[in-house]
Amino acid sequence: EDQVTQSPEALRLQEGESSSLNCSYTVSGLRGLFWYRQDPGKGPEFLFTLYSAGEEKEKERLKATLTKKESFLHITAPKPEDSATYLCAVLNNAGNMLTFGGGTRLMVKP
Amino acid sequence: EAEVAQSPRYKITEKSQAVAFWCDPISGHATLYWYRQILGQGPELLVQFQDESVVDDSQLPKDRFSAERLKGVDSTLKIQPAELGDSAMYLCASSFTENTEAFFGQGTRLTVV
Repeated sequence: EDQVTQSPEALRLQEGESSSLNCSYTVSGLRGLFWYRQDPGKGPEFLFTLYSAGEEKEKERLKATLTKKESFLHITAPKPEDSATYLCAVLNNAGNMLTFGGGTRLMVKP
Repeated sequence: EAEVAQSPRYKITEKSQAVAFWCDPISGHATLYWYRQILGQGPELLVQFQDESVVDDSQLPKDRFSAERLKGVDSTLKIQPAELGDSAMYLCASSFTENTEAFFGQGTRLTVV
């Protein structure tokens, strides 16, 4: 059974204080790893797809990286508008099921 | 910009009543997912369609939940009878193929009283 664990569950940062969110996974053949951002009361918004170890993707202040066991979402000089829950999900080769982790709630204070 | 449409956005229903949610995926997307998300947790897959066929419904409580995707386009998720524990956000997502990123709708917030 595929498993995705995200840490920390919650993270409070000061504006400009860079940090990283972790997504550890076990999957029966990784077809892809996805990062999403979710604002309260809304559906998840797609950020990145990573397909193979060593791959990196960037978008504004966010950078996602992938190894064979985990992925990191690095946030550089965050702003209050980056406050949200960040979700990680994996897609496996066997059943094509998209499995999500529990998310990291990020709060950035001005 | 193409979006996944869901309705209603909010639904309050009494225990033991029937309730239905509707989803219209992005045009051309063959894969459609229904997820349930309890507050403070990640989404949990209920059912996955490839065109009109069910790919996975292993986590769908089949005694009370049903889902269909007639003609492989829009989809309906039904709960009958609703229980207090069904209160959650119900999310629909679609992707071009089963191997590509999924795009989510805004969800339906269900409250069972």
